Amino acid sequence: EPEVTQTPSHQVTQMGQEVILRCVPISNHLYFYWYRQILGQKVEFLVSFYNNEISEKSEIFDDQFSVERPDGSNFTLKIRSTKLEDSAMYFCAEGTGTRMDTQYFGPGTRLTVL
Amino acid sequence: KNQVEQSPQSLIILEGKNCTLQCNYTVSPFSNLRWYKQDTGRGPVSLTIMTFSENTKSNGRYTATLDADTKQSSLHITASQLSDSASYICVVSTFSGGYNKLIFGAGTRLAVHP
Repeated sequence: EPEVTQTPSHQVTQMGQEVILRCVPISNHLYFYWYRQILGQKVEFLVSFYNNEISEKSEIFDDQFSVERPDGSNFTLKIRSTKLEDSAMYFCAEGTGTRMDTQYFGPGTRLTVL
Repeated sequence: KNQVEQSPQSLIILEGKNCTLQCNYTVSPFSNLRWYKQDTGRGPVSLTIMTFSENTKSNGRYTATLDADTKQSSLHITASQLSDSASYICVVSTFSGGYNKLIFGAGTRLAVHP
């Protein structure tokens, strides 16, 4: 099965700092997603991205979050001013956007905010 | 409110034994139901995807069932192996605005012992 890659695998940052999490898609998929999973909790949807625009975002995805495809290939999630509660695993996923879309998840980035 | 509930929360079985995991959901509008396997520290990997018209779907030793009337699903694992140790997540998809929105259960953590 194709693998989405994410970097870094683990990011430690101080509260208030900016972090950028990166995702390298597999190939020709057009739909991209970010999810987060706080330790011991459910995976939660953050945002979906299609054609270089946000198509939908959850209430978690507030003004401190942003997404973009800076070079047409990589897909990034930026957290402008991290809070302690942002500590979580962040997964990117990609897919075709169809109803039966098998969203391919990356291995995740573990973000630790101190 | 859209919700996906899973049981049991955790399960320990001996290698070679079978097990069944349960999922109940209240999601509307319903598009499809997925089961994902998530190894520790990794992203979820899709096992099966079923629409409301499908009652059962198999993927090797994994067999998922769906009862759209009672809004229940199960995942049956046959002849378990040590590598089956993972979290199994039931995910229900709604389809609106042209994309899939995934709603995750909390998962069942399965441990297969020799």
